[in-house]
Amino acid sequence: NAGVTQTPKFQVLKTGQSMTLQCAQDMNHEYMSWYRQDPGMGLRLIHYSVGAGITDQGEVPNGYNVSRSTTEDFPLRLLSAAPSQTSVYFCASSPRDRGTETQYFGPGTRLLVL
Amino acid sequence: AQSVTQLDSQVPVFEEAPVELRCNYSSSVSVYLFWYVQYPNQGLQLLLKYLSGSTLVKGINGFEAEFNKSQTSFHLRKPSVHISDTAEYFCAVSEAGGGNQFYFGTGTSLTVIP
Repeated sequence: NAGVTQTPKFQVLKTGQSMTLQCAQDMNHEYMSWYRQDPGMGLRLIHYSVGAGITDQGEVPNGYNVSRSTTEDFPLRLLSAAPSQTSVYFCASSPRDRGTETQYFGPGTRLLVL
Repeated sequence: AQSVTQLDSQVPVFEEAPVELRCNYSSSVSVYLFWYVQYPNQGLQLLLKYLSGSTLVKGINGFEAEFNKSQTSFHLRKPSVHISDTAEYFCAVSEAGGGNQFYFGTGTSLTVIP
């Protein structure tokens, strides 16, 4: 199993540009989520999905869109990039939508918005 | 919402010395507790978790943590650290019955000095 994969690893954007961060998992996990990691702030939940066709907002959803058309894929879209979205983005998955579950994280995407 | 506090942002320790990384949470309801480790330029991976039962939990790489309900704490310990333990450590909490909503601390950077 490849686990959770994310592309790209690094990205530089100009303010106002849009892009999609890709996330895929091959473990047949129901639950997938996106976090951003900023210095001194830990990880904050952006959006999550409890299954194909079902998504919901997390703590910091503004400026981001998600969709879940398949169990495997959960892309994160930046609609109009802003410098405040400079961050490291992690995708995670877990077998079910339960608070007892271990989260499996991807390697991250480092995004710089100029 | 939950609040997870990791009081020590940086902890330097000499090789083979013991270490304790502190974690406190705010919830008055039943919780599940996790410690994750992040090695440089990698995603997070699970060290250990407390779901129920014995308050002393053993994890990978010789780490252990103790759940203290009265002090709402879940401190991580290792009796003798190695250079390879140099990493960022995150405490995370989810609430029983709260689905897969995790709250992360701001992280503790452990540096092991030769």
